[in-house]
Amino acid sequence: AQRVTQPEKLLSVFKGAPVELKCNYSYSGSPELFWYVQYSRQRLQLLLRHISRESIKGFTADLNKGETSFHLKKPFAQEEDSAMYYCAPDSGGSNYKLTFGKGTLLTVNP
Amino acid sequence: DSGVTQTPKHLITATGQRVTLRCSPRSGDLSVYWYQQSLDQGLQFLIQYYNGEERAKGNILERFSAQQFPDLHSELNLSSLELGDSALYFCASSVGGSEKLFFGSGTQLSVL
Repeated sequence: AQRVTQPEKLLSVFKGAPVELKCNYSYSGSPELFWYVQYSRQRLQLLLRHISRESIKGFTADLNKGETSFHLKKPFAQEEDSAMYYCAPDSGGSNYKLTFGKGTLLTVNP
Repeated sequence: DSGVTQTPKHLITATGQRVTLRCSPRSGDLSVYWYQQSLDQGLQFLIQYYNGEERAKGNILERFSAQQFPDLHSELNLSSLELGDSALYFCASSVGGSEKLFFGSGTQLSVL
């Protein structure tokens, strides 16, 4: 069965510290992977997608097919990074559906 | 503003009742998705429509149904409501599938 796991429900770091939000997936084929973010009182929005290989707001995510992981990383966390982060693998194909992990609430303390 | 509009923003109702949530996708987007967000389950995919037809189904209860109309807006109908149905219901849209989703601000449903 297709599954995505975000093992940490809560993650708290201090400003300037590195942060890594974990995501592991169990999918057949080669899924496309996304990270979505929900800031306080804002809509859920796309943060980045693995095929873009880009860095958004200092965040990067590398797809590790061997470990079936897509961890989100930032070397120096900022207070404005505090938000709910969702990992979302998509199996693609005609029966497209984006399945989200349960999310990790990141709190960056001053 | 993502361009996805959801109404109403808040809905308070009683157990056993039926409600309808409405979603207008971004202009040009053909796909509409419905998600349920709760504290314990996170963001659960319910159902997807593409250009009026059901495309994919997730963890949607039989008491729930949805449709997408010719003008591409969508409605999610929740009936025989239970306390456990209290949640934030999100709608999202995309041009087709397997692409960036744009989310609405959600409808907060409270079943008392």
